Amino acid sequence: AQKITQTQPGMFVQEKEAVTLDCTYDTSDPSYGLFWYKQPSSGEMIFLIYQGSYDQQNATEGRYSLNFQKARKSANLVISASQLGDSAMYFCAMYTGNQFYFGTGTSLTVIP
Amino acid sequence: GAGVSQTPSNKVTEKGKYVELRCDPISGHTALYWYRQSLGQGPEFLIYFQGTGAADDSGLPNDRFFAVRPEGSVSTLKIQRTERGDSAVYLCASSLTVGNNSPLHFGNGTRLTVT
Repeated sequence: AQKITQTQPGMFVQEKEAVTLDCTYDTSDPSYGLFWYKQPSSGEMIFLIYQGSYDQQNATEGRYSLNFQKARKSANLVISASQLGDSAMYFCAMYTGNQFYFGTGTSLTVIP
Repeated sequence: GAGVSQTPSNKVTEKGKYVELRCDPISGHTALYWYRQSLGQGPEFLIYFQGTGAADDSGLPNDRFFAVRPEGSVSTLKIQRTERGDSAVYLCASSLTVGNNSPLHFGNGTRLTVT
């Protein structure tokens, strides 16, 4: 069964605008972690942001924020003030049951 | 400090040959993971180590794949009798501990091409 679902294969955003990348997850564990990674065309996977299942507040890291809706099992990534360098693949991941599970990714293109 | 280092960055081999892929994790990270990523896909779990032992090898596709981490630091992923379907980017990642608040830190990967 798919643990992490990213339904947007590709997204476009105008430079300086905000964009939301969707992620839903499935687990019966009460304790889990949610992560977002960025993978530019150069290939390295870059850790962006983390949200714990017990965290009451949404995580923020600079221009990145995680919109955590526990009842809906969603963990959407919001990128504010998009920059050309944000163009990349973005992967949502969950740690549960001693494993990390990754989604299939969303390709984000920032348009000048 | 230094990140996760993977060597070689690219490896081209003929079908049927044996290959070794090396991963040098971040110093002090106890957990080490191997993933495989095909074009347009997310990373696919292969195996992870907690210290020297393989804590979970359920993602290894078959017995041609094997990995070791003899001293709890550097790890080697070994693939015997390579097949064209093994062609992919092999990613190594380490984390400070095992747990849901310990993010993975990835290397740049080894691109394996089996001809």
